[in-house]
Amino acid sequence: ELKVEQNPLFLSMQEGKNYTIYCNYSTTSDRLYWYRQDPGKSLESLFVLLSNGAVKQEGRLMASLDTKARLSTLHITAAVHDLSATYFCAVSFTGTASKLTFGTGTRLQVTL
Amino acid sequence: GAGVSQSPRYKVAKRGQDVALRCDPISGHVSLFWYQQALGQGPEFLTYFQNEAQLDKSGLPSDRFFAERPEGSVSTLKIQRTQQEDSAVYLCASSFGQQGPYGTIYFGEGSWLTVV
Repeated sequence: ELKVEQNPLFLSMQEGKNYTIYCNYSTTSDRLYWYRQDPGKSLESLFVLLSNGAVKQEGRLMASLDTKARLSTLHITAAVHDLSATYFCAVSFTGTASKLTFGTGTRLQVTL
Repeated sequence: GAGVSQSPRYKVAKRGQDVALRCDPISGHVSLFWYQQALGQGPEFLTYFQNEAQLDKSGLPSDRFFAERPEGSVSTLKIQRTQQEDSAVYLCASSFGQQGPYGTIYFGEGSWLTVV
């Protein structure tokens, strides 16, 4: 079964703190994506990770991929309120090139 | 346009009514996808087009759902005899690549369907 699991499902953190969101998936993948979604809005692409050991950073967000462990992480450094949103990882599994399988999302709330 | 455009943004349909949802992908994008997102859930794949060819429709939940992209640009998702469980946000996405998800996939803002 093609599954993508994220944890935590909900994360409340203080401004200035660091935290990591985890994304596990069930079998081999071609690509892994991270998206951000604000309430009532569409999905904003954050990162596309292609290969084992890939690391990408944009501002306070850094994503990494370990294909052997079937794990991706999204690390948040020194969180600010503007990062409050729901974050999804999505996997393009090998042999299913046409579709993305999404995780259930992590709702992040950054408080003062 | 600059992004993926969807219409209508909001639709309230009576149970049993047919609805049509339109997607205008980014100009030049070969691949087009439809996803369904229930409240509080991640999007779920419905169907995929490469140009005008529908290469994967494995996610369509029933034969009441039908999608087309006749000229390889605009796409329409049609739902016949809507039921309450069809209530969701329908997201359209497009990408430049020709072989499924390739590089960045851009999503539209969705069509919010409520069936009453």
